[in-house]
Amino acid sequence: DAKTTQPPSMDCAEGRAANLPCNHSTISGNEYVYWYRQIHSQGPQYIIHGLKNNETNEMASLIITEDRKSSTLILPHATLRDTAVYYCIETTGNQFYFGTGTSLTVIP
Amino acid sequence: NAGVTQTPKFRILKIGQSMTLQCAQDMNHNYMYWYRQDPGMGLKLIYYSVGAGITDKGEVPNGYNVSRSTTEDFPLRLELAAPSQTSVYFCASSYSGGGPRREQYFGPGTRLTVT
Repeated sequence: DAKTTQPPSMDCAEGRAANLPCNHSTISGNEYVYWYRQIHSQGPQYIIHGLKNNETNEMASLIITEDRKSSTLILPHATLRDTAVYYCIETTGNQFYFGTGTSLTVIP
Repeated sequence: NAGVTQTPKFRILKIGQSMTLQCAQDMNHNYMYWYRQDPGMGLKLIYYSVGAGITDKGEVPNGYNVSRSTTEDFPLRLELAAPSQTSVYFCASSYSGGGPRREQYFGPGTRLTVT
């Protein structure tokens, strides 16, 4: 069973920031949180990952709460091409646990 | 680099038939994975491998077998196909199973229908 909880869907206006929340209350202290996205039925695409500190790369920012029980993925300026299903993934050892994700629709 | 490649793209099987889904990667990754994705659901791990000759079960291994004789290839075998195995199958690879460099690179998927 999935170990993460995400809202099933969200809308975001083009050019605005998209903030996607995730609860991962069962994560252990040394496991990373990963975020992926899946456009249509393509293979998932890596976005970002983090352990304790906030992280930023060319695609997104990741904010992790101090107790590590939740995180937020931020797409700073959403475009139409960001419309996808976004997965917050909790890892245990070598296994990735995908939930059902958040379907983000970017509206023109 | 081609990345992760999967064949075939689509396949229809009759109940009880067998088939092998092929997966190859050219990134010299030591870790490889097989997932299935049912409609409207997230991916579930079937099997994974940490290197040639080493495989282990994931969340949903029943009805499947794998082998890893080379670093590049990780085929998934379905024996006695059942309608419950109708799904999209994704193969993935990564540098290693531990530490921060674990991002997985996914193939385009194989859409399998069992009727």
